[in-house]
Amino acid sequence: AQSVTQLDSQVPVFEEAPVELRCNYSSSVSVYLFWYVQYPNQGLQLLLKYLSGSTLVKGINGFEAEFNKSQTSFHLRKPSVHISDTAEYFCAVRVGTGGFKTIFGAGTRLFVKA
Amino acid sequence: KAGVTQTPRYLIKTRGQQVTLSCSPISGHRSVSWYQQTPGQGLQFLFEYFSETQRNKGNFPGRFSGRQFSNSRSEMNVSTLELGDSALYLCASLEMKGDGSTDTQYFGPGTRLTVL
Repeated sequence: AQSVTQLDSQVPVFEEAPVELRCNYSSSVSVYLFWYVQYPNQGLQLLLKYLSGSTLVKGINGFEAEFNKSQTSFHLRKPSVHISDTAEYFCAVRVGTGGFKTIFGAGTRLFVKA
Repeated sequence: KAGVTQTPRYLIKTRGQQVTLSCSPISGHRSVSWYQQTPGQGLQFLFEYFSETQRNKGNFPGRFSGRQFSNSRSEMNVSTLELGDSALYLCASLEMKGDGSTDTQYFGPGTRLTVL
């Protein structure tokens, strides 16, 4: 069965510092990988996605992620965070062809301190 | 294009009642999925519809059902509400490409259901 593990439930970091949010997945088939951000009382906004091709994926708001097939990881990084990046971040894997479903990790709460 | 819209945004019901939530996908998107988000269980997949057919279903009891109309709009219904059904219900739409591949799911703002 497929699963997604976000290794940190909370990540506190100071403003302008770099951050890495870790995500590991398990799947016996090819997957599509995503990172979403959720601000309070809002839906999910796509940060970036890996469907195929280059393993380094760049997204919005300065975020990037690297797909590592051998380690089954898809860690999210940003070189310098802002207060406005404080939010919940979800790693997700989409599986299936024809009918599909998206499996989400438990989420990582990023808290940026001044 | 307008984004995914969900109505209502907030809903309060009592145990034993039933509720219907609505989702209008992005124009041209024929796949609609539903997710339940709770603090304890996180984001869980409910079901996925494409061209009025349910193609995939998550591990939820039969009280949870859905349907999709010919214009791709979708509704989900929960009967005999329980306290544990209190959650944010998210709808997402996706464009199926001509070669059978898929691209990005876009999420709506959700419907916050509170069961008292």
